Amino acid sequence: DQQVKQNSPSLSVQEGRISILNCDYTNSMFDYFLWYKKYPAEGPTFLISISSIKDKNEDGRFTVFLNKSAKHLSLHIVPSQPGDSAVYFCAASPFLIQGAQKLVFGQGTRLTINP
Amino acid sequence: KAGVTQTPRYLIKTRGQQVTLSCSPISGHRSVSWYQQTPGQGLQFLFEYFSETQRNKGNFPGRFSGRQFSNSRSEMNVSTLELGDSALYLCASSPTQSSYNSPLHFGNGTRLTVT
Repeated sequence: DQQVKQNSPSLSVQEGRISILNCDYTNSMFDYFLWYKKYPAEGPTFLISISSIKDKNEDGRFTVFLNKSAKHLSLHIVPSQPGDSAVYFCAASPFLIQGAQKLVFGQGTRLTINP
Repeated sequence: KAGVTQTPRYLIKTRGQQVTLSCSPISGHRSVSWYQQTPGQGLQFLFEYFSETQRNKGNFPGRFSGRQFSNSRSEMNVSTLELGDSALYLCASSPTQSSYNSPLHFGNGTRLTVT
């Protein structure tokens, strides 16, 4: 049962344009969402996060939008740069009584920025 | 500050053998989590340790086990290896137990191949 889904395995965008990566989740207990970026042969790197009390969070070229009613979040990258080419993972965290770490990840979307 | 260090980077084992992977968290980080990454499955949570105690466990068989030492270093063990255990195993650390305000910092992983 895939609780976090990234339905697009890959996305190709022209340099300078907007990249939009999408993520859907099914578990209503999720209340914190993160995006990670992964280059080959490296571990994932934290990019941006959003709490369920917000619907938007911005950090430079990166903006994450959360639509709780639709259980959907998206990552916008504007403008896209060649260095943004990587695999992007969406992750969600449920509220746990003990506060322990347990991120649930999507399958990832490979973003390619074309010059 | 040194990042999360995982050793070894690559391992080749035979079915039925056992393997131990090691992880040194960022200095001062007390929470260590382990994830398995396979193609098409994204990252799947194995377990999380905080102050030498396992606080949460994912849906993996008992062949997968781990422990954390007093210096926060962690080891993961897989016994009776199966072909399907071939994957990238990622370790991540954070200062606290919660995902909130302390995103995970990942190591570069150990690539395990079972033949």
